[in-house]
Amino acid sequence: GAGVSQSPSNKVTEKGKDVELRCDPISGHTALYWYRQSLGQGLEFLIYFQGNSAPDKSGLPSDRFSAERTGGSVSTLTIQRTQQEDSAVYLCALAPIGQSNSPLHFGNGTRLTVT
Amino acid sequence: AQKITQTQPGMFVQEKEAVTLDCTYDTSDQSYGLFWYKQPSSGEMIFLIYQGSYDEQNATEGRYSLNFQKARKSTNLVISASQLGDSAMYFCAMREDPTTSGTYKYIFGTGTRLKVLA
Repeated sequence: GAGVSQSPSNKVTEKGKDVELRCDPISGHTALYWYRQSLGQGLEFLIYFQGNSAPDKSGLPSDRFSAERTGGSVSTLTIQRTQQEDSAVYLCALAPIGQSNSPLHFGNGTRLTVT
Repeated sequence: AQKITQTQPGMFVQEKEAVTLDCTYDTSDQSYGLFWYKQPSSGEMIFLIYQGSYDEQNATEGRYSLNFQKARKSTNLVISASQLGDSAMYFCAMREDPTTSGTYKYIFGTGTRLKVLA
C-alpha cells in the first residue's frame, strides 16, 4: 500500500518460536494501527499508536503479543512462543492525526504461517 | 456486542446490474465516521467511500454510493453497473468520536464476499 511498507511479506515459523513483524511508514506524522486477519475473516484490531500518547493495546489477544513504535515512525509487532492459531495476515495501517474523516491506509500485510 | 454488522456473508450479482451490501452499526456517539473497503483476492485493502455522521447527503464516489440512514444506524453500499473486477470482499468500518469514546479505533465488520457473474 502507498505510504506503508511491511516486512517480511511472508513468514513461516515453527510453533514456539518468536517472530517480529515490521511496519515502516513513509511519514512519521500519523497514527499507526495493527490488525490481524485470519483466513476468510474480518479485521481484528490489535493495537494503535498515536503521537506521544500511550498506545491502545486493548486488542492484543494475549501477553505473547507486544508492539512498539520507535521515534514515532517504524513499528514492530512481536509474537513470542508462536502458536498455530497465530497464523494470519498481519496488517499495518496509517491515518493522519487530527483528521476524523480520514480512512486508514493499509500496507500489503505480512502473511504468518505457524507450522 | 457487535459494533459493525454485515449480515450477508456472500452475494451474487449479474454483470452490469446494481447491488446493495448491507451494514449496520452500533454507537452512542453523535460524531463518527463510516468507511467501506474492498479487498480483492490479492489481499490489499482499498478504501472506497466515506460517510460522516453529520453529512446530510449520501456519499458518492463514481459507481459507489452509500444509502445512509442515521436513525436506523445503517450505511449500505450500492455498487452500480457491476463489473467483473468488483468481485471481492467488502468491509464496512466505523471510527467513533475519540473525545467521547476515548479511542481512535476503527472497527470492522466481518465482510461480504461479492461475486459478479458474467
